[in-house]
Amino acid sequence: EAQVTQNPRYLITVTGKKLTVTCSQNMNHEYMSWYRQDPGLGLRQIYYSMNVEVTDKGDVPEGYKVSRKEKRNFPLILESPSPNQTSLYFCASSPARGNYGYTFGSGTRLTVV
Amino acid sequence: AQSVTQPDIHITVSEGASLELRCNYSYGATPYLFWYVQSPGQGLQLLLKYFSGDTLVQGIKGFEAEFKRSQSSFNLRKPSVHWSDAAEYFCAVGRPRISGNTGKLIFGQGTTLQVKP
Repeated sequence: EAQVTQNPRYLITVTGKKLTVTCSQNMNHEYMSWYRQDPGLGLRQIYYSMNVEVTDKGDVPEGYKVSRKEKRNFPLILESPSPNQTSLYFCASSPARGNYGYTFGSGTRLTVV
Repeated sequence: AQSVTQPDIHITVSEGASLELRCNYSYGATPYLFWYVQSPGQGLQLLLKYFSGDTLVQGIKGFEAEFKRSQSSFNLRKPSVHWSDAAEYFCAVGRPRISGNTGKLIFGQGTTLQVKP
């Protein structure tokens, strides 16, 4: 089954404790992206990657890092999480930049206390 | 700046009634337009999209949307709502495939649909 898999689904952590949210897709998609969803704000792009080793900032990249060492994986790294990063995070992939045939993961609900 | 506005945060309709969810966008040219649905605890699922051509587009689950350039709108409609349609709906725009396109979707704030029995 074609899918984007995120882990974990739920995570509660403390301020400053580094964490990684994993994202993996099995569709050989070139383009991958991370969004965060906050009430009243919709979804906002954090980072995106057009291909392996090619990543760039989206609209809200502060406090986040990403890497794209393999085509299928696009982890989101929070080096020092803060409470304002409490949010619902979605990973998405599409065949190519501008294709917009996105497949979204099921989301990761992160709480930073 | 590019933006998407969904004026209705929350809408309640009776099962069997018709539905219209509003979406207005601000963009320099005609963007690509999308409607997504998010059921509780789920990711986003694409309902329909508009790139060009016929301004009335059909999607999955009986939904349709009409692009009106003069009003910068892309409203979502369904003639008869089912209880299973209760979810959050997002309108989104994307930049057409030209140089410099980052592939980003700009989302509206979302409209939560409640369906009364």
